[in-house]
Amino acid sequence: TQLLEQSPQFLSIQEGENLTVYCNSSSVFSSLQWYRQEPGEGPVLLVTVVTGGEVKKLKRLTFQFGDARKDSSLHITAAQPGDTGLYLCAGGANFGNEKLTFGTGTRLTIIP
Amino acid sequence: NAGVTQTPKFQVLKTGQSMTLQCAQDMNHNSMYWYRQDPGMGLRLIYYSASEGTTDKGEVPNGYNVSRLNKREFSLRLESAAPSQTSVYFCASGGVMNTEAFFGQGTRLTVV
Repeated sequence: TQLLEQSPQFLSIQEGENLTVYCNSSSVFSSLQWYRQEPGEGPVLLVTVVTGGEVKKLKRLTFQFGDARKDSSLHITAAQPGDTGLYLCAGGANFGNEKLTFGTGTRLTIIP
Repeated sequence: NAGVTQTPKFQVLKTGQSMTLQCAQDMNHNSMYWYRQDPGMGLRLIYYSASEGTTDKGEVPNGYNVSRLNKREFSLRLESAAPSQTSVYFCASGGVMNTEAFFGQGTRLTVV
């Protein structure tokens, strides 16, 4: 079983602050995805990173894939209440066997 | 677009009862998944189907069976429900070769 550990598990910060969420594994992944989940809904994809060292930006969100393709981070600048949700990373399991393995999740709350 | 449709949305079972969760997707995806989501546990893979007629066990398959009768539909069956199976169940499709996985809205199952 390939484990994806996310930290922190819970994070509550004031609107306007910056934050970083981490996703770590001892295994190499062919790709790493980040999803956000709202209450009562299924996860929705935010971004996919596929190259070691890759950085992608989505407005105030910056995603990075580690050089060794074992870890990733999500950085949010000037957090807004609309960023509140459960953030999940997911890795493509093996090259040629792309079962998605999800991380343990980070529940983010932005306080107005 | 319907995407991924799961039924039912809510279900209460008594211990020992059986039931089948239905899932259908209209995106012509080969891969389909069943996950369960428990508080603080992220998403754990129950079963995976890479294509019509094939299924593989995921991280937590015990107590479940699946059926992939055609490309659209992937059902999850609980033969003898146990309280430990109380959870939110998500069906998903896609998510291979670095592409997005699409999720249904989930089934909230309570076993009493």
